[in-house]
Amino acid sequence: DVVMTQSPLSLPVTLGQPASISCRSSQSLVYSDGNIYLNWFQQRPGQSPRRLIYKVSNRDSGVPDRFSGRGSGTDFTLKISRVEAEDVGIYYCMQGTHWPWTFGQGTKVEIK
Amino acid sequence: EVQLLGSGGGLVQPGGSLRLSCAASGFSFSSYAMSWVRQAPGKGLEWVSAISDTGDDTYYAGSVKGRFTISRDNSKNMLYMQMNSLRAEDTAVYYCAKDVNWNIAMASFDYWGQGTLVTVSS
Repeated sequence: DVVMTQSPLSLPVTLGQPASISCRSSQSLVYSDGNIYLNWFQQRPGQSPRRLIYKVSNRDSGVPDRFSGRGSGTDFTLKISRVEAEDVGIYYCMQGTHWPWTFGQGTKVEIK
Repeated sequence: EVQLLGSGGGLVQPGGSLRLSCAASGFSFSSYAMSWVRQAPGKGLEWVSAISDTGDDTYYAGSVKGRFTISRDNSKNMLYMQMNSLRAEDTAVYYCAKDVNWNIAMASFDYWGQGTLVTVSS
């Protein structure tokens, strides 16, 4: 199975400051069609997960532009340019390239 | 508006069975693959099973293979998960999730249901 390793697992951030979450895969996530099926999800307390980013860097409709994704091969990053109170929650990366599809452990973002 | 409404969770004894359902609306259900993803209490997300748009193709995580069966009824816009031989470690909130693709070759879940809690305990 592809292991997805996130860091840090806990991320205290000051409001208005940037935040960055790393996600590394144990093997390349490039699919045979040339795409990389790397997704980022946000799970706010008590809520279902919500997709923020798909195929590494594509932001979902309605997702604020302070969220961005980048990366290639096995190394990926989710960045929040200026953290707001509503960004508190757990963030997961997930690879949809190789069966079985796997998630990272999750990174808990909280306000200092 | 896309809606996924999961149901069927509850308390079941080890070795017992349960059938989860997910009612879909707001999109062309028969055109998309669907998955079940679970989350044990206080833990992270674990993909469990997927089914293609027609139901012809299915796939399971190793932890549930041979015990769980995913199915769908496109005439009713319903997704199901039959769970047999349940174990304590199957205790989790189970989410149904819509894929952006019709097949299960690759995955990206753009909509999630609200989740239904399954508790396996004596």
